[in-house]
Amino acid sequence: AQSVTQLGSHVSVSEGALVLLRCNYSSSVPPYLFWYVQYPNQGLQLLLKYTTGATLVKGINGFEAEFKKSETSFHLTKPSAHMSDAAEYFCAVRGVTGTASKLTFGTGTRLQVTL
Amino acid sequence: GAVVSQHPSRVICKSGTSVKIECRSLDFQATTMFWYRQFPKQSLMLMATSNEGSKATYEQGVEKDKFLINHASLTLSTLTVTSAHPEDSSFYICSASLGRGYNEQFFGPGTRLTVL
Repeated sequence: AQSVTQLGSHVSVSEGALVLLRCNYSSSVPPYLFWYVQYPNQGLQLLLKYTTGATLVKGINGFEAEFKKSETSFHLTKPSAHMSDAAEYFCAVRGVTGTASKLTFGTGTRLQVTL
Repeated sequence: GAVVSQHPSRVICKSGTSVKIECRSLDFQATTMFWYRQFPKQSLMLMATSNEGSKATYEQGVEKDKFLINHASLTLSTLTVTSAHPEDSSFYICSASLGRGYNEQFFGPGTRLTVL
């Protein structure tokens, strides 16, 4: 079985400040990990993903995440927040083999960016 | 590329009626499509997985007779909410994948269903 825990349902940062959204996962197989962003009343947009290879993954809009197997973490960061980053962020894990091909989502973190 | 559309984007219906939601992959062939349900301020819950030409696989606790899924072609899947009730009001999101072995799902914009 696989699961995702996102610490902090709501994060507030000032514009220009560092963004750090936390994600820890549990998976019985080597995971594929994803971060998605959702704007109000819209579907999900992929920010970045980790499959294999380099553990530091760069995504769109200046976001990046680092896969740390020893910590079972995949935290999302951005050096400088912009007002347009305000949205809901979901971490997800996908199993690699057999029937474990479903995405399991965390509960989401709402990012608020203030002036 | 990899665009997924949903229609309608918003629907309001009376209790007891059925509602059909379409999910289309516009520029690729989607062997596998997924249907999710999202309650306000909550995460996405997978309802079912459908593969083109075969019956959908429903997640535990999802009523297959209530939520009918048809994946008749490689670009179209439909979700029909039968005899809708107010508790079925939710945001329904579909996603499409090239199939087993492909790790990425492409998400539609969602459909807001309100049952009066």
